[in-house]
Amino acid sequence: DGGITQSPKYLFRKEGQNVTLSCEQNLNHDAMYWYRQDPGQGLRLIYYSQIVNDFQKGDIAEGYSVSREKKESFPLTVTSAQKNPTAFYLCASSTIGFGTGFRQPQHFGDGTRLSIL
Amino acid sequence: AQSVTQLDSHVSVSEGTPVLLRCNYSSSYSPSLFWYVQHPNKGLQLLLKYTSAATLVKGINGFEAEFKKSETSFHLTKPSAHMSDAAEYFCVVSAAYGGSQGNLIFGKGTKLSVKP
Repeated sequence: DGGITQSPKYLFRKEGQNVTLSCEQNLNHDAMYWYRQDPGQGLRLIYYSQIVNDFQKGDIAEGYSVSREKKESFPLTVTSAQKNPTAFYLCASSTIGFGTGFRQPQHFGDGTRLSIL
Repeated sequence: AQSVTQLDSHVSVSEGTPVLLRCNYSSSYSPSLFWYVQHPNKGLQLLLKYTSAATLVKGINGFEAEFKKSETSFHLTKPSAHMSDAAEYFCVVSAAYGGSQGNLIFGKGTKLSVKP
């Protein structure tokens, strides 16, 4: 079955440590996204990528970094500069609907819950 | 600018009764609108989408939503709630015409409880 795989499901970060969240998709989607979800706040966009080796900052990129070396993979690093990293992180992917002005629906992984030790 | 407002943070219904989850949007252009459902500790699953075709959109699991431009609303309904519908629901609006893909705007969510 095609889908998005996020790992690990749970992750703990020590003070001053960088941690990397994995996201892999086999849907052959061009676009991939990272969101942060906090209770009562909906989803906020961290980074997104429409093509390999290119990505753009979302609304809350500070303290995070990404790479897109392969179409299938879009890992997110939570750096020590992110002072409040405890949250549920969701990765998503979509096709790109050029020319219509309408957004394609995004497909989501099952998330990674990050906590501070 | 685009925005989306889910009018209720929590809705409680009895099993077998109708469900109404309210969503108002603001958009400078003809929007795309989506409803997603999220079960605890899971990702979001697409329920339905509106992309300027029929104003009444049917989705999965018996849900439907009606796009009302005059009221800038896209409320989600289901005739008869099931226990398995208990989850959090997100209304989502697309951003500006053209441009980047990273411009979905998520509502803050409505938590649906279903009583036996």
